[in-house]
Amino acid sequence: DAGVIQSPRHEVTEMGQEVTLRCKPISGHDYLFWYRQTMMRGLELLIYFNNNVPIDDSGMPEDRFSAKMPNASFSTLKIQPSEPRDSAVYFCASSPRDRGLRAANEQFFGPGTRLTVL
Amino acid sequence: KQEVTQIPAALSVPEGENLVLNCSFTDSAIYNLQWFRQDPGKGLTSLLLIQSSQREQTSGRLNASLDKSSGRSTLYIAASQPGDSATYLCAVLNNNAGNMLTFGGGTRLMVKP
Repeated sequence: DAGVIQSPRHEVTEMGQEVTLRCKPISGHDYLFWYRQTMMRGLELLIYFNNNVPIDDSGMPEDRFSAKMPNASFSTLKIQPSEPRDSAVYFCASSPRDRGLRAANEQFFGPGTRLTVL
Repeated sequence: KQEVTQIPAALSVPEGENLVLNCSFTDSAIYNLQWFRQDPGKGLTSLLLIQSSQREQTSGRLNASLDKSSGRSTLYIAASQPGDSATYLCAVLNNNAGNMLTFGGGTRLMVKP
């Protein structure tokens, strides 16, 4: 398996522009997570999906952020309009389902997208 | 609210030394704890996952222990190598937090040849 795939790996844009980050989870994984990593705040969970359904988006910072998962093999995180403070590395991760309903197994991370908003 | 702390924030050791990285958490009602490694500019690689019912997990030169009652976990690295240089993060999954991992700030390890 190729692991979790993210694109683009690097994105530089200007303030006010729309940014779309993409993620392909590991095939067969039921859970998909979007994280943001900054020096100041470390790793923060933004939103996660279970079977393509958003379960908890309490970490999404503002209405400018939105995430979708139209099918089991693809998810997007969109920022519109982007601001300089959105500059960070955005990670996507996926996890198989545990015996129960928890994502209690390991989370597998993608390589991340480094976003710079000028 | 769960808080995860890792001490020290940075550590430099000579090659061959055994070392211990520490992780502490404030809420002991955890479902599991996971240790990750992150290389510069890269994503996170899962090293070990300890379920709440377990006391330790081992993989090669790595051993992770969990003491839920005291809110602590340690990652022991035996016979460290320069290739072990990376940032190590611990993350906990709470019983009452759905599937949200809470991460510590990480320990940046440098192993000198």
